[in-house]
Amino acid sequence: AQSVAQPEDQVNVAEGNPLTVKCTYSVSGNPYLFWYVQYPNRGLQFLLKYITGDNLVKGSYGFEAEFNKSQTSFHLKKPSALVSDSALYFCAVRDRESSASKIIFGSGTRLSIRP
Amino acid sequence: DVKVTQSSRYLVKRTGEKVFLECVQDMDHENMFWYRQDPGLGLRLIYFSYDVKMKEKGDIPEGYSVSREKKERFSLILESASTNQTSMYLCASIGDGSYGYTFGSGTRLTVV
Repeated sequence: AQSVAQPEDQVNVAEGNPLTVKCTYSVSGNPYLFWYVQYPNRGLQFLLKYITGDNLVKGSYGFEAEFNKSQTSFHLKKPSALVSDSALYFCAVRDRESSASKIIFGSGTRLSIRP
Repeated sequence: DVKVTQSSRYLVKRTGEKVFLECVQDMDHENMFWYRQDPGLGLRLIYFSYDVKMKEKGDIPEGYSVSREKKERFSLILESASTNQTSMYLCASIGDGSYGYTFGSGTRLTVV
């Protein structure tokens, strides 16, 4: 069965500092991996995805994520945080071996950037 | 710009009412999904559909049903609303051959 773990409910970072939001996953086959962001009272917005190729994936708003197969991780990173990055972030996984299109989401990490 | 549209942003219903949540996508996507989002629990899949008139139960289907009569529309039905169904409901769609979902803006349902 597929699962996603986001071990931190909240991450607090000072503006201008680097940030990391952690994610580990479990799938029976090879994964497609995603990060989504949610602003208050809104739906989820796509941030970036790993499909194949380079393990370092770049996405919207200066975010990037690194796929690490041996550690089954897909941590979200940004070199310099902005106050506007404050939001709820979800990691998600889809098993590429499965014919179904279901995506499994983590429980979410609230990112808070202080000025 | 491609869209997934949920008909209501906020909804307040009484216990025992039958509630319809509507979702429409304009991307000709085959697959559509309903999730509910609760603090600390992330997104949990209620039902999904991979074709017109086809539906599959997700992880938490109890108390819900769905309808997909047309490709672009996927409705979530609460047969008899209860207070534990107070939540944020998110609709999403994905086309065959695509990788990630497109989400609607969500409906925050309060059952009193």
